[in-house]
Amino acid sequence: GAGVSQSPSNKVTEKGKDVELRCDPISGHTALYWYRQSLGQGLEFLIYFQGNSAPDKSGLPSDRFSAERTGGSVSTLTIQRTQQEDSAVYLCASSGQGGLFEQYFGPGTRLTVT
Amino acid sequence: AQTVTQSQPEMSVQEAETVTLSCTYDTSENNYYLFWYKQPPSRQMILVIRQEAYKQQNATENRFSVNFQKAAKSFSLKISDSQLGDTAMYFCAFLNAGNNRKLIWGLGTSLAVNP
Repeated sequence: GAGVSQSPSNKVTEKGKDVELRCDPISGHTALYWYRQSLGQGLEFLIYFQGNSAPDKSGLPSDRFSAERTGGSVSTLTIQRTQQEDSAVYLCASSGQGGLFEQYFGPGTRLTVT
Repeated sequence: AQTVTQSQPEMSVQEAETVTLSCTYDTSENNYYLFWYKQPPSRQMILVIRQEAYKQQNATENRFSVNFQKAAKSFSLKISDSQLGDTAMYFCAFLNAGNNRKLIWGLGTSLAVNP
């Protein structure tokens, strides 16, 4: 079946603009995660959605970052007033139920803030 | 807080040979999972192998196997019969099986398989 998809693949934006990154998880997966991969800093957790529960936002670096998940499926990560330090690859992952805990990743969105 | 350490930023191996990538972690949890992910230049993060902490038997997936030493908090990845397509960044990751199932990542090991 189809894997996790993300759009756009690449995004170049000017400092101060808002951007929206989209993630379409694997059909039927109840959990959805956003991670950020910065050069030299590895991957960091941003936010976690599980079913209808309140999301775990503990990894969001500032209040300029927000995410929502509509209908338990597609998720959008929004970054307001982008800064150069927001430049990174944003990865989305999803996982199903059953206790296996494996996360399957999309191809990522490379964000460049100029 | 959990941490994951990969002490080898770069490694290389000749095609068809065996290479071992190191990973250590720190946790006070008892119920957790460990993963190795591969990220080739295409940027796609691909799951290589998974280990449940409660299982004593080391996981294997074809040419990939792990050496899981729970007491030592060590989780190394062995790649046998290395192939050119194995060239990639390899990340070790920890997951607490409790409520917050976020992955905690090491900084990665860049593996080059040479012809």
